[in-house]
Amino acid sequence: NAGVTQTPKFRVLKTGQSMTLLCAQDMNHEYMYWYRQDPGMGLRLIHYSVGEGTTAKGEVPDGYNVSRLKKQNFLLGLESAAPSQTSVYFCASSYTGTGVWETQYFGPGTRLLVL
Amino acid sequence: AQKVTQAQTEISVVEKEDVTLDCVYETRDTTYYLFWYKQPPSGELVFLIRRNSFDEQNEISGRYSWNFQKSTSSFNFTITASQVVDSAVYFCALSEALGKLQFGAGTQVVVTP
Repeated sequence: NAGVTQTPKFRVLKTGQSMTLLCAQDMNHEYMYWYRQDPGMGLRLIHYSVGEGTTAKGEVPDGYNVSRLKKQNFLLGLESAAPSQTSVYFCASSYTGTGVWETQYFGPGTRLLVL
Repeated sequence: AQKVTQAQTEISVVEKEDVTLDCVYETRDTTYYLFWYKQPPSGELVFLIRRNSFDEQNEISGRYSWNFQKSTSSFNFTITASQVVDSAVYFCALSEALGKLQFGAGTQVVVTP
């Protein structure tokens, strides 16, 4: 049981390049989330998904796209990277049932540097 | 809109001292959850405690305890007899609909021997 995993752990991009961050969970969780963490700030929600095939915008969605084609995977894409997207990206998942919002478990994070 | 405020940027203590972290939140919802997460220097986020809005009972779990007061919208967290391994950034978070978390800015705790 690996929990929540993220790929890659670290990446350097040039402005304008694209990339996809992969989040995978093996806990059969319905809900998945992408957050970003900037220095001196708490995490901010980028996008989230409440089930396979569904996605929704969070607090800071601009410049990002997501897809949830499989229940266990949640992909975060940057189509044209900008220096402002330099951050640490965290994925999280939770199992929700009967309206009770369970604890979110986080992946180890992906450190992204955009030059 | 919901909001979480952690007014303390950094707290420095000597080992074995108690540390209390303050958290004040704003929400219009009657049903919500409050969390504390720990982020050690290695960078991962570790879940510590969760409290729902209907349960104001304060509890102690090992060296951790928390004080939830709806009347003042506060959810404070205390580490008793701190240890060097407690050095980390601690985040308070508020969850409303669909589990979306709103995090505070975090409090850096530095425990020196």
